[in-house]
Amino acid sequence: EPEVTQTPSHQVTQMGQEVILRCVPISNHLYFYWYRQILGQKVEFLVSFYNNEISEKSEIFDDQFSVERPDGSNFTLKIRSTKLEDSAMYFCASRHQGFSNNEQFFGPGTRLTVL
Amino acid sequence: GQSLEQPSEVTAVEGAIVQINCTYQTSGFYGLSWYQQHDGGAPTFLSYNALDGLEETGRFSSFLSRSDSYGYLLLQELQMKDSASYFCAVREGSGTYKYIFGTGTRLKVLA
Repeated sequence: EPEVTQTPSHQVTQMGQEVILRCVPISNHLYFYWYRQILGQKVEFLVSFYNNEISEKSEIFDDQFSVERPDGSNFTLKIRSTKLEDSAMYFCASRHQGFSNNEQFFGPGTRLTVL
Repeated sequence: GQSLEQPSEVTAVEGAIVQINCTYQTSGFYGLSWYQQHDGGAPTFLSYNALDGLEETGRFSSFLSRSDSYGYLLLQELQMKDSASYFCAVREGSGTYKYIFGTGTRLKVLA
């Protein structure tokens, strides 16, 4: 069964460093998302991506963040100048085409720890 | 402001029926989804309601009342493996791809 994959599973970085989180969405999906979840808290929307551009972003997704689909398969989230409060689980998700289709498939997540 | 409120925790025994409520207040509303998340795992999609009424998928059912800004997830014939967190999520509008998640409900199923 096709699935969303994410790498790395765990990333440890020093405050102020840049990190890139990688995702490979399901191959025939057209809508891509990044979410974050601080330990024990709710899932928070960061950004949605469609047709090679950002569709929407939340107030969390400021200039520190950027997304890219550098090729036909990868979808990346870059976090510049990381802060302690960026420590969280980051989930990538993808959705098939069809506006009425609301089933998002989530990847296993990348746990980001900022020291 | 935007908010989706859920009970923080619910406990039930195996074989029982449990209902997890979600009340929402968002700038727009297009539909309500439910996701299950086991500890350390990723959210997995359970159901979606765009219209008022009940949607049934096996042991799980989901209900929506748009006029009351309210929905619930009904889990029947509870099993130990149903112990997890459950999140409701609102899709804000027909022209949006943005989903707002609720605070989550931790369900504990006891033997």
